[in-house]
Amino acid sequence: QQQVKQSPQSLIVQKGGISIINCAYENTAFDYFPWYQQFPGKGPALLIAIRPDVSEKKEGRFTISFNKSAKQFSLHIMDSQPGDSATYFCAANGGFGAGTTVTVRA
Amino acid sequence: DGGITQSPKYLFRKEGQNVTLSCEQNLNHDAMYWYRQDPGQGLRLIYYSQIVNDFQKGDIAEGYSVSREKKESFPLTVTSAQKNPTAFYLCASSVPGLDYNEQFFGPGTRLTVL
Repeated sequence: QQQVKQSPQSLIVQKGGISIINCAYENTAFDYFPWYQQFPGKGPALLIAIRPDVSEKKEGRFTISFNKSAKQFSLHIMDSQPGDSATYFCAANGGFGAGTTVTVRA
Repeated sequence: DGGITQSPKYLFRKEGQNVTLSCEQNLNHDAMYWYRQDPGQGLRLIYYSQIVNDFQKGDIAEGYSVSREKKESFPLTVTSAQKNPTAFYLCASSVPGLDYNEQFFGPGTRLTVL
């Protein structure tokens, strides 16, 4: 599996704030870049994904920004809510990032 | 409902014992995967199978074994050779060759070695 670098390892945000998580990848044979959300004690679930033919995809409060030339993509959580507190993983070409634990404080 | 089931949810094992974790899916997916999750280390691939009766080692296969006799089942055996087996184990499935990273995960099994 190729290396996928994800940052930060954790972040704390106030309710209503913006959470930003970044991922960088090496080469990829697949044009598909997803983010997964995992709650404690549960399996990850697909949150949102993007194909590189677009630079941004938005679903509700979640947005992926994609920079193909830089081989980077990021997840933005707008108007963060306590229910968004979870661990988020990016993935690229079969590999997963190490995860980012997001804590939203009320 | 389609999905992936893993059993048991919690498993306790004595040192030196082998233990088998169950994974079943009714999504009709050809590909299945086993991951190990430790705090701060993300998901590490143990084994994967793209088709029945075939499987490949992942990044951390030592001390583990699998079988794929049926499309819907991909059990993982944690052997006594695995030096540090206490972890959260996740099974996943996908359609191989398409959207490789779109994987569907089970609820996980937490294994504790006593």
